Amino acid sequence: GENVEQHPSTLSVQEGDSAVIKCTYSDSASNYFPWYKQELGKGPQLIIDIRSNVGEKKDQRIAVTLNKTAKHFSLHITETQPEDSAVYFCAASMGSSSFGNEKLTFGTGTRLTIIP
Amino acid sequence: DGGITQSPKYLFRKEGQNVTLSCEQNLNHDAMYWYRQDPGQGLRLIYYSQIVNDFQKGDIAEGYSVSREKKESFPLTVTSAQKNPTAFYLCASSRETGTPYEQYFGPGTRLTVT
Repeated sequence: GENVEQHPSTLSVQEGDSAVIKCTYSDSASNYFPWYKQELGKGPQLIIDIRSNVGEKKDQRIAVTLNKTAKHFSLHITETQPEDSAVYFCAASMGSSSFGNEKLTFGTGTRLTIIP
Repeated sequence: DGGITQSPKYLFRKEGQNVTLSCEQNLNHDAMYWYRQDPGQGLRLIYYSQIVNDFQKGDIAEGYSVSREKKESFPLTVTSAQKNPTAFYLCASSRETGTPYEQYFGPGTRLTVT
């Protein structure tokens, strides 16, 4: 099955600087890569996702890049703010029409701390 | 407001007791999922259901059971056979199956078994 590795496990960044979190996946059939943000005591919330037919996607201060050849994808947060402090999870899915292939496999999470 | 509700937020049980966690959604989503989250680990899939009256085991189904009698509801029972039941449990739903649509998560239930 799919295996997703995520690094680093913790990341501290000065407010205003950029943060980068990286994930690698094992199954070349995966074609959907969402990123979730989880605040303390809450459920994860989707912040951005990318599908395998594009290499980069941006949404204001957040961007995701995908390298299918190397099987890795990254989350980039620019101009970080204190409210960006949270745990971030990457995930991968095959998302095909076959039964069950929309299941997400999650990375182990990155605890991001923004230092004021 | 549409969304996913999980109740209760905190749940305490004695070892050897079965316990059922509630998950309800009013998003009209077809698929529903149960995940377990342990400190320092990612989310691990317990069970998922794509349609009413059908569900599939995820990666860590042992010691758990589910039912899907209604589209809106997907309760999870943690049985006494689950060796390490203390964890944060998350329910999610998505719009359609067979296509990678966003999974929406509920607020979670923290279960403590002593």
